[in-house]
Amino acid sequence: GEDVEQSLFLSVREGDSSVINCTYTDSSSTYLYWYKQEPGAGLQLLTYIFSNMDMKQDQRLTVLLNKKDKHLSLRIADTQTGDSAIYFCAERATGANNLFFGTGTRLTVIP
Amino acid sequence: DSGVTQTPKHLITATGQRVTLRCSPRSGDLSVYWYQQSLDQGLQFLIHYYNGEERAKGNILERFSAQQFPDLHSELNLSSLELGDSALYFCASSLRDRERRQFFGPGTRLTVL
Repeated sequence: GEDVEQSLFLSVREGDSSVINCTYTDSSSTYLYWYKQEPGAGLQLLTYIFSNMDMKQDQRLTVLLNKKDKHLSLRIADTQTGDSAIYFCAERATGANNLFFGTGTRLTVIP
Repeated sequence: DSGVTQTPKHLITATGQRVTLRCSPRSGDLSVYWYQQSLDQGLQFLIHYYNGEERAKGNILERFSAQQFPDLHSELNLSSLELGDSALYFCASSLRDRERRQFFGPGTRLTVL
């Protein structure tokens, strides 16, 4: 079965880069996602990557995928206080429509 | 704003009761997914509907049921509520059955006392 793991907490200083890591076990994952959840809010889709890619960049966000090690990371450049939130990694397996989520990483940006 | 709406935003009820959560997908989206977010279980997939038909079930209890109506809105019915059902319930929608992106609503926070 699927298992998606993330570290629970990350603190960074404003202006530094943040790197949030995720490992997954399902080798048939087709798409991998990063969602952001701010306090009291829903899940905002930040970016996603297809499993045959190894990198995707979107403005301050860079996603790196190491399919061999089943490791996904999200780098946020020039982290701002508004980036403080919980970040969820999610995967979608081949033939499935639903997403399987990790535990979430709470990012705290220190001014 | 994702375009997915959920009502009510908050719901407080007692054990043994029944509630209905409502979701309106983004305009044009045919797929609706329900997820539950709780402290002990994290974010879990419950059920998926596409154009009125049930497509997949996840960790959904038998006390829970859902449907998608002809206008594509969906309702999640939770009955015989227990304390452990207290959670945030999210609805997500996507354009097609296997569309890669799912857009989430703001959620309904259910508190069972």
